[in-house]
Amino acid sequence: EVQLVESGGDLIQPGGSLRLSCAASGFTFNNYDMNWVRQAPGKGLEWLSFITKTSTTIYYADSVRGRFTISRDNAESSLYLQMSSLRADDTAIYYCVRDRLGGAFDVWGQGTMVTVSS
Amino acid sequence: DFQMTQSPSSLSASVGDRVTITCRASQDISKYLAWYQQKPGKVPKLLISAASTLQSGVPSRFSGSGSGTDFTLTISSLQPEDVATYSCQRYLEAPKTFGGGTKVDIK
Repeated sequence: EVQLVESGGDLIQPGGSLRLSCAASGFTFNNYDMNWVRQAPGKGLEWLSFITKTSTTIYYADSVRGRFTISRDNAESSLYLQMSSLRADDTAIYYCVRDRLGGAFDVWGQGTMVTVSS
Repeated sequence: DFQMTQSPSSLSASVGDRVTITCRASQDISKYLAWYQQKPGKVPKLLISAASTLQSGVPSRFSGSGSGTDFTLTISSLQPEDVATYSCQRYLEAPKTFGGGTKVDIK
């Protein structure tokens, strides 16, 4: 079964840092580009970051550029999101998402909740 | 800044009604538009890619059309299980922006 499982979400104080992980299984991870998407409570989907199969190309949304860093370990079939300088408006469910060959987002993890609050 | 604008933000329709949701891109994105369905408490699901290509297993009452900047998602006969929020997305280039979403419920 194709699966993405996120972990690392937590309650964190403003200004803090957190690292999210996503474990992929059921497919050849190093054949796919990957993304992080978030959804604040009661809000829409927000794309955050993209990384190619070999990590050669990385993109970020303006809202997180300079604060968040995407990375991957193909040997471990894992995707990561290092988040720093966290703010209250970073509170959201964070999804790990596969970028299907051709581009649309075809596999989503269940998400991990990040709450930024003092 | 690139934007995807969806309308309406919410709608209420009767079972069997034809429902249309529109999505407008702030610049030409050719056919590289996807539609997602997110049922309450669930993870988003890819419905349509390339503006009009229905994903395997998606009921044929769903259809997509458009190219360039203007796109449409149509549900030809709304069913109770279609209650969800529908979001469009430009996916080929970054930023891979989503529209704000359209919440669909039953009248």
